[in-house]
Amino acid sequence: EIVLTQSPGTLSLSPGERATLSCRASQSVSSNRLAWYQQKPGQAPRLLIYDASTRATGIPDRLSGSGSGTDFTLTISRLEPEDFAVYYCQQYGSSPVTFGQGTKVEIK
Amino acid sequence: EVQLVQSGAEVKKPGESLRISCQGSGYTFTNNWITWVRHMSGRGLEWMGRINPSDSHTNYSPSFQGHVTISADKSIGTAYLQWNSLEASDTAIYYCARGHGWSDYWGLGTRVTVSS
Repeated sequence: EIVLTQSPGTLSLSPGERATLSCRASQSVSSNRLAWYQQKPGQAPRLLIYDASTRATGIPDRLSGSGSGTDFTLTISRLEPEDFAVYYCQQYGSSPVTFGQGTKVEIK
Repeated sequence: EVQLVQSGAEVKKPGESLRISCQGSGYTFTNNWITWVRHMSGRGLEWMGRINPSDSHTNYSPSFQGHVTISADKSIGTAYLQWNSLEASDTAIYYCARGHGWSDYWGLGTRVTVSS
């Protein structure tokens, strides 16, 4: 199975700053089938990005996904208060589907 | 409006059986796979498996194969996650979500507590 390693584990930033989250796969993700989710305490995950770079419905353009093969990035250009949360990457190109361990974006 | 409505919280003892449910509405239930995801306290998300409600074809993660059963009743638009013998390590929140790969709609989660 493909292991996804997210870094850093925690990102401490201030509102207005840029956030760069990394997701590295143990082998190439087929057809760049990689998604990003946001999860806040007590809430279900929320789909942000799929197919590595396609924003889901209603997701603001300050969030963007990029990458291919084994290296993927989620970028938040200017952090808003509602962006402080845990972010997970997920690959669905190979079975079984797998998630990364998450990156927490916290207020500095 | 697409909704996935999950059954309520459960408290069980080790060795007991359990089935939790996920009812879809606002879309054609048989057009989309349903996926189950585990979230243990303080840990990340874990993909458990999925089902195609139109023909009940399932895929499981090796980590969960043989310990849980995923099923669906398309006549009532509901998917299920079942255990025959719970363990304390099954204590977690379980989410159902719509989608074969990425998931665009999620239920609110069912908290399962297994304790003697």
